[in-house]
Amino acid sequence: QTVVTQEPSFSVSPGGTVTLTCGLSSGSVSTSYYPSWYQQTPGQAPRTLIYSTNSRSSGVPDRFSGSILGNKAALTITGAQADDESDYYCVLYMGSGIWVFGGGTKLTVL
Amino acid sequence: EVQLLESGGGLVQPGGSLRLSCAASGFTFSSYTMSWVRQAPGKGLEWVSALSGSGGGTFYADSVRGRFTISRDNSKNTLYLQLNSLRAEDTAVYYCAKTYSHGYDYWGQGTLVTVSS
Repeated sequence: QTVVTQEPSFSVSPGGTVTLTCGLSSGSVSTSYYPSWYQQTPGQAPRTLIYSTNSRSSGVPDRFSGSILGNKAALTITGAQADDESDYYCVLYMGSGIWVFGGGTKLTVL
Repeated sequence: EVQLLESGGGLVQPGGSLRLSCAASGFTFSSYTMSWVRQAPGKGLEWVSALSGSGGGTFYADSVRGRFTISRDNSKNTLYLQLNSLRAEDTAVYYCAKTYSHGYDYWGQGTLVTVSS
């Protein structure tokens, strides 16, 4: 069974830069998995940040960027702000109409 | 403006059934694959099911295959999810999401399904 891995938690200082990753329990993440990233605060619906590896969704500031780093997809936040404190989820398209979400990363800004 | 509005959630006993709806507006509904994603209390997001724009392709997570049925009515711009043989572990907020470039670009606000006796 395919498992998509994310760091359970991460912290960043205000103004700092943080990179969250999204990997596979077996194998490497490539653009062929069309990795996408979502931000969610408690009680709210997810908000789309990045789709298809590195395309920013409408209205998302350019301090959020997506990439492939080594064998993982990555979400980098530069100039972290207090309201970036959220849960972040990646999802990979496995083909044949199947998606798998990662377990999410809880980001703390302090 | 794209809007997705889920409805149909509620409290149901184990083994029971429920039908969720997602009313869409602001885009050409029939042109897009639509998905259901759920989130159990305090847990992460879980992809549940997807349906192609024409309705010809249906896809399910292993955890719901054979119990849930996804469908759509393009004349009503509405996506459905029929939930049968419900279990306690199906308790979650169910979101519908518009698929774009193999990800999701718009989400509804979700509808809560609680399976409990």
